[in-house]
Amino acid sequence: EAGVTQFPSHSVIEKGQTVTLRCDPISGHDNLYWYRRVMGKEIKFLLHFVKESKQDESGMPNNRFLAERTGGTYSTLKVQPAELEDSGVYFCASSRFVATNEKLFFGSGTQLSVL
Amino acid sequence: GQNIDQPTEMTATEGAIVQINCTYQTSGFNGLFWYQQHAGEAPTFLSYNVLDGLEEKGRFSSFLSRSKGYSYLLLKELQMKDSASYLCAVREGQAGTALIFGKGTTLSVSS
Repeated sequence: EAGVTQFPSHSVIEKGQTVTLRCDPISGHDNLYWYRRVMGKEIKFLLHFVKESKQDESGMPNNRFLAERTGGTYSTLKVQPAELEDSGVYFCASSRFVATNEKLFFGSGTQLSVL
Repeated sequence: GQNIDQPTEMTATEGAIVQINCTYQTSGFNGLFWYQQHAGEAPTFLSYNVLDGLEEKGRFSSFLSRSKGYSYLLLKELQMKDSASYLCAVREGQAGTALIFGKGTTLSVSS
């Protein structure tokens, strides 16, 4: 069974440009999460999809960030326009069921550098 | 507010035992998770505790005391491959809500 895959693994862009990150969850996993780790800080929640619906987007930092999950399969996270403080590692995670002991399967992340 | 504290770095030698502590202060509690992350790789699930006590899984064990807001991850018979970052995370709310992570503890195992 393939794990959670993220693309690209690294992205270097200039301030003001647009970047789109992609996440392919494990097949059959209805729940998809985006998390972010800014250098020197802890991993922080961005949002949660259940199938194609946004269940919780309370962690999205501002309206420069747009997440979509059309068809309830893969998801994209677009940053437009990117700012310096958006640099960090963006993780995607998925799970089959929502449960208190829900085990998240993470991808390896996309390292975003905004120059 | 939310606060999860872990030591930043720890070192140990092969074959030894190491205990990684995690203290938390959150507005709610609905379980504590430990994840392992090797450099450049995905975090992988190690353990889950929601009731007080010790959960043992092979060389790894995790302990929780809810009254003290405290957990530890115990790694026995350390191997070089155990060198990684260990992340403590708490779920404050109901199932499906965000995990709140600590900054992680980087463990270096030497021969």
